[in-house]
Amino acid sequence: GAGVSQSPSNKVTEKGKDVELRCDPISGHTALYWYRQSLGQGLEFLIYFQGNSAPDKSGLPSDRFSAERTGGSVSTLTIQRTQQEDSAVYLCASSLQQKNSPLHFGNGTRLTVT
Amino acid sequence: QKEVEQNSGPLSVPEGAIASLNCTYSDRGSQSFFWYRQYSGKSPELIMSIYSNGDKEDGRFTAQLNKASQYVSLLIRDSQPSDSATYLCAVNMGPYGGSQGNLIFGKGTKLSVKP
Repeated sequence: GAGVSQSPSNKVTEKGKDVELRCDPISGHTALYWYRQSLGQGLEFLIYFQGNSAPDKSGLPSDRFSAERTGGSVSTLTIQRTQQEDSAVYLCASSLQQKNSPLHFGNGTRLTVT
Repeated sequence: QKEVEQNSGPLSVPEGAIASLNCTYSDRGSQSFFWYRQYSGKSPELIMSIYSNGDKEDGRFTAQLNKASQYVSLLIRDSQPSDSATYLCAVNMGPYGGSQGNLIFGKGTKLSVKP
């Protein structure tokens, strides 16, 4: 079946512009995660959605970052007034609700802020 | 603070040797444990999961779990150059507990297998 789909795969934007990154999880997966990975670094947790519960936003680095998940499926990560330090690969992952369920990652969006 | 610790490496082993990757975690109540492999420029992919104490084998990979010592490891037998990647340990620290939702990732160990 289809995996986690992210778009765009690459995004180049000018400093100060807003960007939207999209994630379409695996059908039936109620948990959705956003991570950020800078070059040569580990995964930095950003936000977590689980079903209809309030999202865990504890990883968002500033109020320029926000995310939505509409209808319990597709999620959009928005970065306002982008800065050069926002340049990274943004990874989305989804999983089943069960606590032993592993994450399935999308191919990521490579964001470059010039 | 719930944490997963890994040696960042790089860990260098010759082709055909056994590579041993280690991970410790802070939450004694953790229930499930995963190893992900990440090739350079690619997304992480799941290679092993383990839930009970002891060993779990899958081909050339063996995951070992010791909950008393809060320690999980991954052994790769007959290492190949194609195994060269960063290996991420991930621990589920309770049903919906802690930050980061269910899963806490370590920073990864970079493995290099030399021909």
